[in-house]
Amino acid sequence: ILNVEQSPQSLHVQEGDSTNFTCSFPSSNFYALHWYRWETAKSPEALFVMTLNGDEKKKGRISATLNTKEGYSYLYIKGSQPEDSATYLCASNSNSGYALNFGKGTSLLVTP
Amino acid sequence: DAGVIQSPRHEVTEMGQEVTLRCKPISGHNSLFWYRQTMMRGLELLIYFNNNVPIDDSGMPEDRFSAKMPNASFSTLKIQPSEPRDSAVYFCASSLGGGATGELFFGEGSRLTVL
Repeated sequence: ILNVEQSPQSLHVQEGDSTNFTCSFPSSNFYALHWYRWETAKSPEALFVMTLNGDEKKKGRISATLNTKEGYSYLYIKGSQPEDSATYLCASNSNSGYALNFGKGTSLLVTP
Repeated sequence: DAGVIQSPRHEVTEMGQEVTLRCKPISGHNSLFWYRQTMMRGLELLIYFNNNVPIDDSGMPEDRFSAKMPNASFSTLKIQPSEPRDSAVYFCASSLGGGATGELFFGEGSRLTVL
């Protein structure tokens, strides 16, 4: 994998459903994996930064896992709420290790 | 802290004109990134500075684009001459620490329209 790839591109769930998205990234020269939440008309805001294989992080109903050997991360949202509607971006370092390359995001819509 | 400050928020210009976008990072942050957001390509990294020095500019699309960071509190992204395909939202972000391990703080973006 040369680029950061996210799936699905978009997702529509009902309030109360749990959901998850996938981020695939190059596993060679890995330094860090970031997840950002981007609400419409706002700027992306960081959710998690993970660096170690097996890392698991949690913030409220949102959690993330990291597998650096196979190059993937999962983001989970438990009991989705309408306010969770946003685009969720993941990013991993470039080959130089210095900067972050972003995936195109997963757009989540949670309806009541 | 006021966060990352970008200006202008919106700019409409005609093809061939020079465009300068400005960014003030969060005080104390030593890494600064310029990204371009388009529907087709998502968030693309243009250039990354660390301690005011350009480290990775491989994403700068062509010679029409240039970026500077004369001091720790100010950076500019210049497009000369501008073209319609440069229309996009340009984001500046800063972080503490070098490289990709620091959480990025984004500005509100500069929406550029080139007619």
